Formats: sequence, C-alpha cells, structure tokens
Amino acid sequence: EVQLVESGGGLVKPGGSLRLSCAASGFTFSDYSMNWVRQAPGKGLEWVSSISITSDYIYYADSMKGRFTISRDNAKKSLYLQMNSLRAEDTAVYYCARGDWFDPWGQGTLVTVSS
Amino acid sequence: DIHMTQSPSSLSASVGDRVTITCRASQIISTYLNWYQQKPGKAPELLIYAASSLQSGVPSRFSGSGSGTDFTLTISGLQREDFATYYCQQSYSNPRTFGQGTKVEIK
Repeated sequence: EVQLVESGGGLVKPGGSLRLSCAASGFTFSDYSMNWVRQAPGKGLEWVSSISITSDYIYYADSMKGRFTISRDNAKKSLYLQMNSLRAEDTAVYYCARGDWFDPWGQGTLVTVSS
Repeated sequence: DIHMTQSPSSLSASVGDRVTITCRASQIISTYLNWYQQKPGKAPELLIYAASSLQSGVPSRFSGSGSGTDFTLTISGLQREDFATYYCQQSYSNPRTFGQGTKVEIK
C-alpha cells in the first residue's frame, strides 16, 4: 500500500523553527518528485514547495522563500521541510504529496505558531 | 503566477443531482489541470488528472473536461459521500496554484 506519513508538527513560538518529515512506503520513492502543501484552519489549499527526484530542481511559494527549505533522502525514503522564522500565518496543517499529480497525500501534521 | 478561479464557491444540491464546478486559469495551461476532493478532517484525494483522466478507483460519475483556460468537473448523480470540498490545481508551472475550493453541501 502506498503511504505517506508526516511528523514533526507542534506548537512553536513566533520566530522559532520546526522540521517536518514525511516517511514514504509502498512505492519506489526515488522515482517521484515530492511536494508540500499546507492548509490554514478553515482555509483552502496552499502549495508550499516541490522537489525533483534527484533534488536538482526545487521550488518554493514566494511567501516561504528564504525561510523554508525542502530536502529529501532517497535512501531513507523521506521528505523534509525545515521551517525557520515562523510566523503566526504559518499555522496550518502541512501535507506531503507524491509526484506531479499530488497523489496520494499524507494525513497531515499540524503546525501552530503562537506565543 | 497562474491564478485559478473556481465557481461557484459553494453550492447546495440533492442526492441524484448533476453538479458542475468550473475552474478558470489566468493563462493557457493546456490540459495541466487536476481536481481533488477533500472531506472534513481528511487529506485531499486526487479525482481527475490531466483535465479529463479519471484516477484509478474513482467512481465513473466523476468526469472532467476542458483545455486552455476553462475546465469543468461534473458529478453525474450526486451521492451522499460526494458532499465535500473540491479543488482544482494547475500543474503547468510553479507555483502549482490551487483554486479557492467549491464546497458541495446537502440541500
């Protein structure tokens, strides 16, 4: 079964940092690009970042450039999102999703930025 | 950036109804358009990719059409389990923007 499981969310103060992980199983991780998408409470979906198979191509939403860093470890079948200088508006459920068609998605991990 | 606009933002429908949701891109995206369904408290799920290709396991009452800038998601014979929020997303270029969502509610 293809599965993505996010972890690493939690409560963090403004200006703080957090590292999210996404563990993949049930498919050849190194064959797919990967993505992060977030959803603020009661809001729609917002694309965060994407990374190519060999990490050669990396893209970020403008509001996250310079603060967030996406990475992957194909040997560990894992995707990461390092989030620095967090703001209240970064509060959201963060999902990882596989490939160009964003399928499937993980269950999400909640990040709350609050003092 | 490519802006995606869905309409309507919400709709009320009855079981058995035919429902149509539209998505417009701010520039031509060929058929690089995907549709997702999200139920409350759950992660989104892919319904349609490349504008009209049905994802494996998705019921055939869901269909997608369009190319260029205008796209449509149709549910033919709405079922109770279809009440959810639907999002379009362009996969033509980064940032991979989503529409604002269409909430389908029970009438």
